Amino acid sequence: QQQVKQSPQSLIVQKGGIPIINCAYENTAFDYFPWYQQFPGKGPALLIAIRPDVSEKKEGRFTISFNKSAKQFSLHIMDSQPGDSATYFCAASERRDDKIIFGKGTRLHILP
Amino acid sequence: DVKVTQSSRYLVKRTGEKVFLECVQDMDHENMFWYRQDPGLGLRLIYFSYDVKMKEKGDIPEGYSVSREKKERFSLILESASTNQTSMYLCASSSTLLGDGYFGPGTRLTVL
Repeated sequence: QQQVKQSPQSLIVQKGGIPIINCAYENTAFDYFPWYQQFPGKGPALLIAIRPDVSEKKEGRFTISFNKSAKQFSLHIMDSQPGDSATYFCAASERRDDKIIFGKGTRLHILP
Repeated sequence: DVKVTQSSRYLVKRTGEKVFLECVQDMDHENMFWYRQDPGLGLRLIYFSYDVKMKEKGDIPEGYSVSREKKERFSLILESASTNQTSMYLCASSSTLLGDGYFGPGTRLTVL
């Protein structure tokens, strides 16, 4: 059973566009929702994270939108650049056991 | 800066061999994790540990075991490697307080 569902699997966007990656979860005990960015040959790196007490968080060009009632959250990348081309993973964890559960990932390609 | 290091970037082993993958973190994090990453399947949790000598099974523990004798070190053991264990193995650590996971660079294991 997939606890964190991520879509789309892959995404191609023109430079300057706003790619949006969506995730949904079932477990209402999740209380921490990080996003990771992974470049080829590297381990994933924490990009931005949100807790369910806020509906939006911005860090630079990256924004997380969080909808607690729908159990959904999404990543928006403003003014996307070719250097943003990477695989993005959403994840969720709960304070009870700190286990981090990942979505299957989205391969993002930004066209120059 | 948090540093998570893994003993090897690339490893080639034969079917039936015992394989040790080592991970060390330098941030005094309580939690450590082992994931495997396969195309189309994302990051799947094998085992995690929230304290020295403590371990918990993740989603795919079969064929693996772990050891955590010291807080900074978490080892993944393949008792008898099989070809279906060919994968990228990623170690991560996190603080119970913050929940942010930090990953190592990964070990690409090939079992022939």
